[in-house]
Amino acid sequence: NAGVMQNPRHLVRRRGQEARLRCSPMKGHSHVYWYRQLPEEGLKFMVYLQKENIIDESGMPKERFSAEFPKEGPSILRIQQVVRGDSAAYFCASSPNGPTDTQYFGPGTRLTVL
Amino acid sequence: AQTVTQSQPEMSVQEAETVTLSCTYDTSENNYYLFWYKQPPSRQMILVIRQEAYKQQNATENRFSVNFQKAAKSFSLKISDSQLGDTAMYFCAFMTDSGAGSYQLTFGKGTKLSVIP
Repeated sequence: NAGVMQNPRHLVRRRGQEARLRCSPMKGHSHVYWYRQLPEEGLKFMVYLQKENIIDESGMPKERFSAEFPKEGPSILRIQQVVRGDSAAYFCASSPNGPTDTQYFGPGTRLTVL
Repeated sequence: AQTVTQSQPEMSVQEAETVTLSCTYDTSENNYYLFWYKQPPSRQMILVIRQEAYKQQNATENRFSVNFQKAAKSFSLKISDSQLGDTAMYFCAFMTDSGAGSYQLTFGKGTKLSVIP
């Protein structure tokens, strides 16, 4: 059973460009979570999605950030018009049956904004 | 809001020795879950151990065990027979219902553990 997959592992963007981060949950998992880790910090919750639904986006910045988890395909975290402060590691996690299940993490995408 | 505090930014331990990492949390909830995750230099987040607050028995996973003190809101991690591969950042995390059926992990700032040969 493959783990949570994230791609790309490293992404470099110039200010003003768009960043698209992809996450494929573990097989059989229908709950996806996105977290952001700034240097020397713990992870901070951004958004929780189930297939085709956003359940909790309380940790997501109100502008420029969006997330989706379509019926088919991976979950996408999209950052429009990136700024230097968006540079961070973005982790995706998935759980199988519900939000109280253990969350298993992917390897993360390290975004660098020049 | 829930908070998680890890008071030891860095620790070191000799190989084969035992080390304890501390974690305290603040919540008014009665039903919650606690976790320790490990982040080695590869930066992958790896689950170490999970504890349900309603369980009085402390969780164990091989060389890893916890001391869960619910009244004191303390959740320490003990690593026995430390190995070089245990060198990593260790994050304590807390999870409870944040409303509308959403459970989000709240992480501490981490403890950097170095195992010395």
